[in-house]
Amino acid sequence: EVQLVQSGAEVKKPGESLKISCKGSGYSFTSYWITWVRQMPGKGLEWMGRIDPSDSYTNYSPSFQGHVTISADRSINTAYLQWSSLKASDTAIYFCARHWGVSGYYYDWGQGTLVTVSS
Amino acid sequence: QSALTQPASVSGSPGQSITISCTGTSSDVGNFNLVSWYQKHPGKAPKLMIYEVTKRPSGVSNRFSGSKSGNTASLTISGLQAEDEADYYCCSYGGSDTVFGGGTKVTVL
Repeated sequence: EVQLVQSGAEVKKPGESLKISCKGSGYSFTSYWITWVRQMPGKGLEWMGRIDPSDSYTNYSPSFQGHVTISADRSINTAYLQWSSLKASDTAIYFCARHWGVSGYYYDWGQGTLVTVSS
Repeated sequence: QSALTQPASVSGSPGQSITISCTGTSSDVGNFNLVSWYQKHPGKAPKLMIYEVTKRPSGVSNRFSGSKSGNTASLTISGLQAEDEADYYCCSYGGSDTVFGGGTKVTVL
């Protein structure tokens, strides 16, 4: 069974750093891309960026480029989304999803990670 | 890439058909047959309903169908049921990135 299991909810202060994870199982981790999607409170889905775990090649949305970093550790079948300096506006639920090929659709999703940034 | 344009809300009575539009540009929707649609209930992960414009994943009701004309894709739900009440998002590959629509809230009256 394919599973994407994300790390738990986080509460952080503005300016702090954070790294959340998405662990894949039940499939060949390096054969599928991982995409990260944001959903701010009461808002829609936003595409943040994607990574090919086989070589860590990444694409970012211009809206998120430079503010987040997407990475992967294929030795432990895990993708990451990280911030070096959080803002209150980063408060959101973050989902990971796997897809075949750079242009693939998202059939399998993680359960989501709630990140709350508040002073 | 700007978000794809969807109506904020669409409603219908049980048994009726509704259509949700998703308008992009010649750089995304119009250039690739790579539009997908997702159903999202509060507190749940999105669920794939349609991929590659018209294809339906195994297990998704055949009441859901997709189409595209030019820069606009559409999702049609026929025989509307109470369980269809949710938010729906279109998504299109755009070459260097991918973009979602703003989402449409479907209400079953």
